[in-house]
Amino acid sequence: NAGVMQNPRHLVRRRGQEARLRCSPMKGHSHVYWYRQLPEEGLKFMVYLQKENIIDESGMPKERFSAEFPKEGPSILRIQQVVRGDSAAYFCASSPASDYGYTFGSGTRLTVV
Amino acid sequence: SQQGEEDPQALSIQEGENATMNCSYKTSINNLQWYRQNSGRGLVHLILIRSNEREKHSGRLRVTLDTSKKSSSLLITASRAADTASYFCATAMGYSTLTFGKGTMLLVSP
Repeated sequence: NAGVMQNPRHLVRRRGQEARLRCSPMKGHSHVYWYRQLPEEGLKFMVYLQKENIIDESGMPKERFSAEFPKEGPSILRIQQVVRGDSAAYFCASSPASDYGYTFGSGTRLTVV
Repeated sequence: SQQGEEDPQALSIQEGENATMNCSYKTSINNLQWYRQNSGRGLVHLILIRSNEREKHSGRLRVTLDTSKKSSSLLITASRAADTASYFCATAMGYSTLTFGKGTMLLVSP
C-alpha cells in the first residue's frame, strides 16, 4: 500500500500560469481532503471531495481555484492565473470514512515567481 | 478563528524527559486528533480520541480529553531526539472536516 501519493513534490510557476496538483488517495479510501500550509502556520482546510462529488469547498477561494475527484484517476487541485500569494505547501489527505484519522501525502510545494 | 489552539508554541527539553502539549478548542466536537509533522514533510496521524473517551494510550503517547473544559493534552514520555517535530491537534465537529491548530514545535536535545 503506497499511501497517499502527491505529485509533483515541487512546482515552480510564473505569475499568470496554471498550477495542477495531483493526489492519489490510499487504496480503499474514498474521502479526499486538500489543505494549504504557509510557513510556520497550521493547515488551512480547502476542500473535501468524494468520488465525483465536492462535499465541502468552504475553504476554497471563490476565484481561480477548483478541485475535482473523478471516477477514474487522481484528485486534481487546479489554480489558474497563479499569484505570488499562492506560494505554499499543498497537502492532500485521504480517509476511509469521514470520522477516521487522515493519511497525508508528502505535499506539493508551489513557488510562484 | 482556529478551532484548536496548541500551547505552548514551542517546547525545548532533554532526551529522557517528558513533553506535554495542550490543545484548547471552542465548540463541541465529535473527535480530536493529534498529528506530528517533521520539517518539510506531510503530517502523520498519531492518535484519535472520541468525545465520549477521556484517555487513550499508544506506545509512549498518552492523550487526555476534557470536554467540560474543551481541552486535550498530549504527553510524550521518555522523549527521544527523533521526537523533534511539530505537533498539531485537530478537531472534528460532527462528521465535518478537521480543523487544525498552529502547532507546538518540540525540540528534544540529546
